[in-house]
Amino acid sequence: DVKVTQSSRYLVKRTGEKVFLECVQDMDHENMFWYRQDPGLGLRLIYFSYDVKMKEKGDIPEGYSVSREKKERFSLILESASTNQTSMYLCASLWAGGAHEQYFGPGTRLTVT
Amino acid sequence: KQEVTQIPAALSVPEGENLVLNCSFTDSAIYNLQWFRQDPGKGLTSLLLIQSSQREQTSGRLNASLDKSSGRSTLYIAASQPGDSATYLCAVRNSGGSNYKLTFGKGTLLTVNP
Repeated sequence: DVKVTQSSRYLVKRTGEKVFLECVQDMDHENMFWYRQDPGLGLRLIYFSYDVKMKEKGDIPEGYSVSREKKERFSLILESASTNQTSMYLCASLWAGGAHEQYFGPGTRLTVT
Repeated sequence: KQEVTQIPAALSVPEGENLVLNCSFTDSAIYNLQWFRQDPGKGLTSLLLIQSSQREQTSGRLNASLDKSSGRSTLYIAASQPGDSATYLCAVRNSGGSNYKLTFGKGTLLTVNP
């Protein structure tokens, strides 16, 4: 079974802090994704990566950056956290061959105060 | 731009009932369609994936159908149980170009009452 893990289930940070959200997958998938999920807005893609050190902006990249130094790990960085970044953050991975089935991690509930 | 709509937004049924969740999409040029389940405060669990060339997929009490030409998919749940209570999300992957992105509907919140 594919396993996608996220470093924290719950996180509370203060406005202006630099925040790192970590995601690890164990299936050698090329593609990894970061989404945020908000009530009434659904899931929105922040960034994705199709290979090590490669990244593309999603629909809402402002205020975020990402890092992919190793194939299994994809990090989301909030350079200076703001209250409007309070959200559920979901990481996902995808194998580019075959069925293109996407697998999600358990999510990180981030609260910025 | 692909748009995905799920109707109804919420559904409440008694235990044992068969039910259908609906998903529609605006651009029929899709690579595949995936149904997910999400429990409160948790991540998404993949339930079924249908390739664009397929008409349906089945897993246990779940059956998903796809009518690409009309831009519609349904998720049929047989003999519903309280443990089926969750939000069900439909997501579409477009064909061509950068087909890594999924476009999600906003989900149907299902409550199965004992």
